Amino acid sequence: NAGVTQTPKFQVLKTGQSMTLQCAQDMNHNSMYWYRQDPGMGLRLIYYSASEGTTDKGEVPNGYNVSRLNKREFSLRLESAAPSQTSVYFCASSGGYSGSGGTYNEQFFGPGTRLTVL
Amino acid sequence: AQSVTQLGSHVSVSEGALVLLRCNYSSSVPPYLFWYVQYPNQGLQLLLKYTSAATLVKGINGFEAEFKKSETSFHLTKPSAHMSDAAEYFCATMDSNYQLIWGAGTKLIIKP
Repeated sequence: NAGVTQTPKFQVLKTGQSMTLQCAQDMNHNSMYWYRQDPGMGLRLIYYSASEGTTDKGEVPNGYNVSRLNKREFSLRLESAAPSQTSVYFCASSGGYSGSGGTYNEQFFGPGTRLTVL
Repeated sequence: AQSVTQLGSHVSVSEGALVLLRCNYSSSVPPYLFWYVQYPNQGLQLLLKYTSAATLVKGINGFEAEFKKSETSFHLTKPSAHMSDAAEYFCATMDSNYQLIWGAGTKLIIKP
């Protein structure tokens, strides 16, 4: 049981290059998330997928696209990288919210991808 | 809109001393509140969560947090700090779309 895995762990890009960050979970979770983490700013949600076949914008979606390939996999694409996208990117998954009166299931995080855009 | 404020970007305590990390949230009914920990170069993991069952919540590694509605606070405490507690701690709440809203984080430094 690997939990949430992310590839690659590190990446250096030049401005204008494109790349896709991969994320997979083996916990049969419905919901998956992409965050970026910048010093002093906590985590900011880029995109999320509440269930297979759906995706929604988060707080900072500009410059990114996502694909929920199947229940296990959720990828994040940078079409034309910019220095402002230098960050640590985390993928997370959860069982989601159970409904009225139910409990919110915790999010499980991957180890992160450290991206530098020159 | 919901928000979370963590007081102090860095907190330094001596080994064996009380750990107190502060978190205040903007009101949401009902509030769902979380503390996560991030060890260096790792992802985040859940320490504990409040979902209205009990105001004092116990988590992993000896941490606990008390929900105080009148103060809109959810401070994290541990009676005796250990060197292995050095990490960054994040408080979070949930918005109306069931997405997590994160505080900026507090780095806990443990002095030997």
